[in-house]
Amino acid sequence: DQQVKQNSPSLSVQEGRISILNCDYTNSMFDYFLWYKKYPAEGPTFLISISSIKDKNEDGRFTVFLNKSAKHLSLHIVPSQPGDSAVYFCAAYLADKLIFGTGTRLQVFP
Amino acid sequence: ETGVTQTPRHLVMGMTNKKSLKCEQHLGHNAMYWYKQSAKKPLELMFVYSLEERVENNSVPSRFSPECPNSSHLFLHLHTLQPEDSALYLCASSQFSNTEAFFGQGTRLTVV
Repeated sequence: DQQVKQNSPSLSVQEGRISILNCDYTNSMFDYFLWYKKYPAEGPTFLISISSIKDKNEDGRFTVFLNKSAKHLSLHIVPSQPGDSAVYFCAAYLADKLIFGTGTRLQVFP
Repeated sequence: ETGVTQTPRHLVMGMTNKKSLKCEQHLGHNAMYWYKQSAKKPLELMFVYSLEERVENNSVPSRFSPECPNSSHLFLHLHTLQPEDSALYLCASSQFSNTEAFFGQGTRLTVV
């Protein structure tokens, strides 16, 4: 019963193009969503977040979109850079619990 | 430097050993978390402490025992573990819920 799902385990994008990472959730009580980036053998690092009262939040090359009716959020990275290659996790808060998706491995090639 | 420090970074222990993982944060946060990341599995929330009180125990076996002596420190005491407990154990902290959590580098645990 995975409450936060990332259905694409991997994504490959050319440098300079847009990367779109998707996340679906099942619980409408989630009220705050986050994206994390993770390199091997390191802890996840926070990228960007969005409250359920918003539908878009932007920070530099990163934009998160939230579609509450579809219970879907996405992370757009533009332009993609080779250094963006990592595993990306979406996460959502339910009360005190921060629940993570399964992750999507992004590879940005030259 | 994330402000959340975990020690040790690597640990190999036998199934009869007792060991402890340590997490320390100097960010002034009020909530701390233990997560487990196994190969090819999602990050699993194990324990949540808020204001030094455990608010969540996510059906974790009793061979894992957390301790939060103060708001800056979190421990995970391990005893009689199984090989399938081998994983990356991550500590995180946040100011409150609904704020970004910051993670430590993790402890890579191998049970032999």
